[in-house]
Amino acid sequence: AQSVTQPDIHITVSEGASLELRCNYSYGATPYLFWYVQSPGQGLQLLLKYFSGDTLVQGIKGFEAEFKRSQSSFNLRKPSVHWSDAAEYFCAVGAQGGSYIPTFGRGTSLIVHP
Amino acid sequence: ETGVTQSPTHLIKTRGQQVTLRCSSQSGHNTVSWYQQALGQGPQFIFQYYREEENGRGNFPPRFSGLQFPNYSSELNVNALELDDSALYLCASSRDSTGHEQYFGPGTRLTVT
Repeated sequence: AQSVTQPDIHITVSEGASLELRCNYSYGATPYLFWYVQSPGQGLQLLLKYFSGDTLVQGIKGFEAEFKRSQSSFNLRKPSVHWSDAAEYFCAVGAQGGSYIPTFGRGTSLIVHP
Repeated sequence: ETGVTQSPTHLIKTRGQQVTLRCSSQSGHNTVSWYQQALGQGPQFIFQYYREEENGRGNFPPRFSGLQFPNYSSELNVNALELDDSALYLCASSRDSTGHEQYFGPGTRLTVT
């Protein structure tokens, strides 16, 4: 069975600082990997996804993530955080082939100080 | 293009009651998935409907059931509500059953007292 660990429950950064949110997954083969963002009172919005190919994936809002098979990781990064990036971030893993049933991590809450 | 909408936004029910939550898919999407998100947790997959048939189910008891209609809108029904059913219920639609690109609605906040 697949699983996702987001080791940081909360992350606090200053506006303009760089950001890295950690995600580790457990899956027996090459997974599908996703990062979603959830603002208060909103549904989840897809930031980026990895299926295959280039291990550095570019997403929306200036985010990127790197798939590292050897570390079973898919960390999310942004070079300069804006106050509007404060939200809950979820990493998810899905099985390749057939119907996609994702497993989500418990999320990391990003707090941005002015 | 209209996004995914859910109704109601909030509701409060009593333990033992039944509830129906509704979801309208994004235009052109034939697949809908439902998730339960407890406070402080990530979403958990309940089930998926593809062209009006259940197409996958997570680890939820049979009192969680669903329907998908010909216009691809969907309902989630929960019978015999328990306190632990209190959560945000999210609906997500996608163009096909692989669900590689899901679009989420804002959710329905259910409180069971």
